Amino acid sequence: GNSVTQMEGPVTLSEEAFLTINCTYTATGYPSLFWYVQYPGEGLQLLLKATKADDKGSNKGFEATYRKETTSFHLEKGSVQVSDSAVYFCALKKGGSEKLVFGKGTKLTVNP
Amino acid sequence: DADVTQTPRNRITKTGKRIMLECSQTKGHDRMYWYRQDPGLGLRLIYYSFDVKDINKGEISDGYSVSRQAQAKFSLSLESAIPNQTALYFCATSEERRGGDTQYFGPGTRLTVL
Repeated sequence: GNSVTQMEGPVTLSEEAFLTINCTYTATGYPSLFWYVQYPGEGLQLLLKATKADDKGSNKGFEATYRKETTSFHLEKGSVQVSDSAVYFCALKKGGSEKLVFGKGTKLTVNP
Repeated sequence: DADVTQTPRNRITKTGKRIMLECSQTKGHDRMYWYRQDPGLGLRLIYYSFDVKDINKGEISDGYSVSRQAQAKFSLSLESAIPNQTALYFCATSEERRGGDTQYFGPGTRLTVL
C-alpha cells in the first residue's frame, strides 16, 4: 500500500542553521506530494506541494523537490528562524483517491 | 474569520457518553474530512464526504459516525465514547482540481475521554 516515511524527531537547531527533514514514499504511479506544517495549538497548514516528478515546491523559504528516482521529497530551508518551530508532516495523495497519507510528523525546535 | 471552524475546541467527557464534534466551512468546498491525530502516529482518516449525499468510511471508522447536514457542515459523533478515543480531531475541506487537491484544516478539537 501507499506509505510515507519521514525522519523521526525531534530536531533541534539554532537560528540561521540549515534544515533538512527527510521524506520518502512508497506508492504506485505518480502521487502528488505535500508538506504540511502544524504550529503549536493550531491545525495543519499546507506549506508546499509538488504534483509531478522534478517539480520543486517552495514557500516561506522552504523547498522540496519531487524525486521519482529516489521516491523522496525532502524538505529544506537554508536559514531557520525561531518562528519555524512546529511539527512538519510529509504526505502523499494518489490521483483518484481521496486519501491523504501522512507521515508521523517531525517536530522542529529552533533556539535563538 | 477562519475558513474552517470546529466546535468545541476542547472537551472532556466520560466513558459511555455520546459526543458530537462539529465542523463548519465558508470555503464553498464540496469535500469534507474528519481525521484524528495521535502522538507518533500522524493523522488517520475517519470519514470523508464528497457532498451531502455521499459519505464514505476512512481507515478507522469503527466507533464513529458522521452527518453531513449541509454542504458547509460535517459533524462527527462518538455514540459511546471510550478512553482510546482520546485524541486531537481535525476537520478538513478540499475541492477536486487537476494536479492534486489541497486540504484545508480546522484548528482541531482536543477530546479527552475519562
